[in-house]
Formats: sequence, C-alpha cells, structure tokens
Amino acid sequence: DQQVKQNSPSLSVQEGRISILNCDYTNSMFDYFLWYKKYPAEGPTFLISISSIKDKNEDGRFTVFLNKSAKHLSLHIVPSQPGDSAVYFCAASSISSGSARQLTFGSGTQLTVLP
Amino acid sequence: DSGVTQTPKHLITATGQRVTLRCSPRSGDLSVYWYQQSLDQGLQFLIQYYNGEERAKGNILERFSAQQFPDLHSELNLSSLELGDSALYFCASSKEDRRGTQYFGPGTRLLVL
Repeated sequence: DQQVKQNSPSLSVQEGRISILNCDYTNSMFDYFLWYKKYPAEGPTFLISISSIKDKNEDGRFTVFLNKSAKHLSLHIVPSQPGDSAVYFCAASSISSGSARQLTFGSGTQLTVLP
Repeated sequence: DSGVTQTPKHLITATGQRVTLRCSPRSGDLSVYWYQQSLDQGLQFLIQYYNGEERAKGNILERFSAQQFPDLHSELNLSSLELGDSALYFCASSKEDRRGTQYFGPGTRLLVL
C-alpha cells in the first residue's frame, strides 16, 4: 500500500522552462511534506518543505504547492537549469506509534533538464 | 556534505555471508534511520534508533538487525545474504525538528553475488 506516490518516473524539460514534479498521498495524518534531491552516487539532500496548514512555500527558484483536499502536492522549478537534473523524492512526515516522527518516501522522479 | 558518514562505500560479497554497514550521524543528532533502495525503487524505511534505543521498525527482514552505540554511531548487520539484498543502503540522522527533516549519508552500495 503506497501512501506516497510519484506517478511519473521521469520528466524532461528544456533549460529555462518550468519543471513541475507531482506527488499524491493517501494518509490524512501527514502534517509536513518534504522534497529531496538526489544526484547519482550521493545521498538524498533536503530541498524544501511545506506544512499541511499552508498551500504554498517558496525558496528561490523552488516552490511547493499543496492541495490538501486533493491530497496532492507539486514542486515547481523556475527557471530549470541543467544542474537541476537529478532524482526528486517527495516525502511525507507523520508521527508513528511511540512518538517517532517518520518520513514516507515516494518512488522518485528523474528530472532531466536539456541544455 | 550532510555531515552523515557511512562506511564502506561499496561492498561485494557472496550469498550466505554476513556484512556490517556503519553510520556516524551529524553532530548532535540523536536519531538514526536506515533505508534500503533497490533498483529503480524508492527509499524503503528499515529501522530507527533514538539515543541508543530502537524507536520504530519498518520493512526490516529478520535476517537484518541494527544497533546504536553510546557514541551514537549505528551499525546495520545483514546476514544470510541473498541476491535480492543487493541494493543501496542509506543512513540518515535527525534532530527530530517539527518537520522530521532527515539528513542522509552517501550510502553503501551492496552487491551480493
């Protein structure tokens, strides 16, 4: 049972254009959502997050939108640069049993920005 | 550099063998998490330790075990290895902020032949 889904395994975008990466979730108990970026041969690095009580969070070229009623979030990258080419993971945060806060990850989307 | 270190970077072993993966968390982080990433899969949560105690368990096989030592470093032990255990194993640490942000090490790539 996948609680966090990234339905697009890959996305190609021209340099300078907008990249939109999507993520859907099923569990209403998630209260924060995070995006991670992963380059080959490296671990995932934290990129941006959003609280479930907000609908938008912006950090430079990166903006995350949350549609709570649709249980959908998206990451917008504007303008896209070749260095943004990486795998992007969506993660949802919740408190599990024993008061442990955990992240549930999607399967990732490979973004390729073409020069 | 996240501040989380993992050793070794690569490990090649045979089926039936046992290996130990090591992780040192960021300075001050009490929580350590272990994840498995198989080919083209997402990050599967295995287990979490907090200040030496097991705190949460995910999809960890009985052949796998972990521990966190008093100096907060952690080890993941994989035994009776099978071909399907070949994967990237990531360790992450956190201060348990309100978001649950985790910081990942570079991973250990395990190949079971």
